[in-house]
Amino acid sequence: AQSVTQLDSQVPVFEEAPVELRCNYSSSVSVYLFWYVQYPNQGLQLLLKYLSGSTLVKGINGFEAEFNKSQTSFHLRKPSVHISDTAEYFCAVKGDYKLSFGAGTTVTVRA
Amino acid sequence: EAGVAQSPRYKIIEKRQSVAFWCNPISGHATLYWYQQILGQGPKLLIQFQNNGVVDDSQLPKDRFSAERLKGVDSTLKIQPAKLEDSAVYLCASSLSDMAVYEQYFGPGTRLTVT
Repeated sequence: AQSVTQLDSQVPVFEEAPVELRCNYSSSVSVYLFWYVQYPNQGLQLLLKYLSGSTLVKGINGFEAEFNKSQTSFHLRKPSVHISDTAEYFCAVKGDYKLSFGAGTTVTVRA
Repeated sequence: EAGVAQSPRYKIIEKRQSVAFWCNPISGHATLYWYQQILGQGPKLLIQFQNNGVVDDSQLPKDRFSAERLKGVDSTLKIQPAKLEDSAVYLCASSLSDMAVYEQYFGPGTRLTVT
């Protein structure tokens, strides 16, 4: 069994400020980890993924995430956000063949 | 490359009515997924197909939901009869295979409102 907990349901942030979205997971087997973004009235788009290798993963739109096995975390960061980063962000884990999603974090970027 | 197509985009029905959603995956993608996303929650897998065979339907409420993927391409998801708690966005996704290295591509979803 596997599960994902996103620790913040809403994150307001000012434009050009940094942002961190926290994600913790649990699994009885080795996992692969993902971050997806969902803009209003759209499907999910993959931001980045960790499969193996370097624990610091870089994705699209300036996002990066760090896999920490000892803390079972996969936090997402961006050093400077834009208004266009306003969206819902989902952390997901794949331990068996099934992708399990967290409840999501709504990021609202204000000018 | 065309993305995952879904129709309709929006549907409003009364409880106890039936409804069907259609999905056309990316060409060549063997694996197709249907997810249910209730407001305020992450997507939950309903059913996964590998070509035209079912890999996992453990979370599909089989007394009212059914899905098929004829010829291993397009897929339809049906609800009959609908309940108020079925109000959600239904997302279709596809990938080359179910291995983690292959990205799942999502369609825009169908927003279902049951009144």
